[in-house]
Amino acid sequence: KQEVTQIPAALSVPEGENLVLNCSFTDSAIYNLQWFRQDPGKGLTSLLLIQSSQREQTSGRLNASLDKSSGRSTLYIAASQPGDSATYLCAVGRGTSYGKLTFGQGTILTVHP
Amino acid sequence: NAGVTQTPKFRVLKTGQSMTLLCAQDMNHEYMYWYRQDPGMGLRLIHYSVGEGTTAKGEVPDGYNVSRLKKQNFLLGLESAAPSQTSVYFCASSPDTAGRSYEQYFGPGTRLTVT
Repeated sequence: KQEVTQIPAALSVPEGENLVLNCSFTDSAIYNLQWFRQDPGKGLTSLLLIQSSQREQTSGRLNASLDKSSGRSTLYIAASQPGDSATYLCAVGRGTSYGKLTFGQGTILTVHP
Repeated sequence: NAGVTQTPKFRVLKTGQSMTLLCAQDMNHEYMYWYRQDPGMGLRLIHYSVGEGTTAKGEVPDGYNVSRLKKQNFLLGLESAAPSQTSVYFCASSPDTAGRSYEQYFGPGTRLTVT
């Protein structure tokens, strides 16, 4: 059974810092990996999706990498801003299963001015 | 383009009552999913659908039923609500693209409390 772990559970940083969020998964036979952002009381917003054949994806100040062999993904946020404060969720898609995702429990990020 | 919408946003039920949660998407997506989110448990898949008229069980299907009579709608039903079904419910949809990315788009959620 696939298990997804996110470390740290919570992170507090001053504005302007570069930071890394970690996601690890136990079964390397994944189809894709998706990073989401969730604001309090809101739904999930897709940030980046990495297919199993890719090593990284970039969007603005965000960069996500994937290392299937070691079962790890990282989300790098450059020059953090208070508006980046949210919960970040990692989800792993299983192969040949119509996109079913297994989620980690998230990292709560607080960026203070 | 509203994306994925969910109704209602909030609901309080008494044990044993029934209700239906509605998910609608206007993106012509083939796949739709229902998740529940609980503290300490993360998001877990309840049921999903790979097309109009089809449904399948996810990780935690017990106590729930679903229907997808129209491509744009995915209904989640609770026949006899229990306190253990107190949760936030999210619907998501995903397109069937040539690249089969299965990127999922989420609705805003329904907060359900069962007393």
